[in-house]
Amino acid sequence: GAVVSQHPSWVICKSGTSVKIECRSLDFQATTMFWYRQFPKQSLMLMATSNEGSKATYEQGVEKDKFLINHASLTLSTLTVTSAHPEDSSFYICSGLAGGANEQFFGPGTRLTVL
Amino acid sequence: GNSVTQMEGPVTLSEEAFLTINCTYTATGYPSLFWYVQYPGEGLQLLLKATKADDKGSNKGFEATYRKETTSFHLEKGSVQVSDSAVYFCALRGGGSQGNLIFGKGTKLSVKP
Repeated sequence: GAVVSQHPSWVICKSGTSVKIECRSLDFQATTMFWYRQFPKQSLMLMATSNEGSKATYEQGVEKDKFLINHASLTLSTLTVTSAHPEDSSFYICSGLAGGANEQFFGPGTRLTVL
Repeated sequence: GNSVTQMEGPVTLSEEAFLTINCTYTATGYPSLFWYVQYPGEGLQLLLKATKADDKGSNKGFEATYRKETTSFHLEKGSVQVSDSAVYFCALRGGGSQGNLIFGKGTKLSVKP
């Protein structure tokens, strides 16, 4: 299957700082990218859906001003957690979907720990 | 709303044992059902899927049958290997081919030699 990478794989930051997570589709063009978060022993919860060149669509309860998503190219989407707090500590996973396809390809995830 | 419930792990089996991971769902309409697998350090990979009632998805010796009458999609394998150790996620998608995926909590499987 197609490959999606995420960087960094893990990050520790201080409360109040901002953290950027990159998601790249390495061998296909992802017209749509999804961002999920996963708490320990919980399901993956969809945070937002972004289409290349458009503003992201956020799920109910997800603060769009806190979780900034940019999908400026067909191979790169970024998630920026602004003014991070300890409750933002989680596992963030992205996935990409090629135009006209019906299978998402997932990145390996990024572990964020906010101290 | 739509939801997925799967058995909690961890599940520990000996090599060549029979595996069942239960998954039930709640959905309106006719969802598509999926099993994803996540090996250590890697992203989720699609293991198998079924798009309508009574369909059987299969891959790498794993099987799951879409049972509408019991709203279930249990994952089975007749003889597990150490290399099957991973986290398994049941998921559904409603609302057309590009609808959102809704995941279960995941079940960690460890297979001992």
